[in-house]
Amino acid sequence: SQKIEQNSEALNIQEGKTATLTCNYTNYSPAYLQWYRQDPGRGPVFLLLIRENEKEKRKERLKVTFDTTLKQSLFHITASQPADSATYLCALVNAGNMLTFGGGTRLMVKP
Amino acid sequence: DAGVIQSPRHEVTEMGQEVTLRCKPISGHNSLFWYRQTMMRGLELLIYFNNNVPIDDSGMPEDRFSAKMPNASFSTLKIQPSEPRDSAVYFCASSLGDGSGNTIYFGEGSWLTVV
Repeated sequence: SQKIEQNSEALNIQEGKTATLTCNYTNYSPAYLQWYRQDPGRGPVFLLLIRENEKEKRKERLKVTFDTTLKQSLFHITASQPADSATYLCALVNAGNMLTFGGGTRLMVKP
Repeated sequence: DAGVIQSPRHEVTEMGQEVTLRCKPISGHNSLFWYRQTMMRGLELLIYFNNNVPIDDSGMPEDRFSAKMPNASFSTLKIQPSEPRDSAVYFCASSLGDGSGNTIYFGEGSWLTVV
């Protein structure tokens, strides 16, 4: 069966450090992968989309990599700030051509 | 743009009652999604409409759940009768195109508690 796995444990880091979140998937052959941010009590908000032929994509302090051989995407936030604290979700198109989400990883950036 | 608008934001109801959640998608978007989010199961797709037509309802948990989209600017998700295990946050989302992996814009959610 298709699975999207993200570390369910919270990631705690110090302000200024780089946060790295992982998204692993099985039984998918995605043409692209998306990352969303979700704050408590709010809906998810789109951050980045990376295509299968793109190894890396950047947007300001965010960087996403996509390794279709390892079936893994890494999401990096450089120079992290307390305002980056949130849950980050990866999402893939499933066999039914619908966007499905991983369970998300909660990031806590301490000042 | 006002974004995806959902109502009510919070609802507490007794078991057995009917619950109706409402959604107004972003103007011009032709795909609409209903998701449910719980701690245990994460974000699950319930149903997907394209051009007001239900395309995939395989995520609807059981017959107690139904969804309609009478026009391009309005959709409802109904639970009848409601049960405590239906307690969750229900998100409506919309996108352009046929929905296949396009960026999805979420509403703020409807927080449902069934007691």
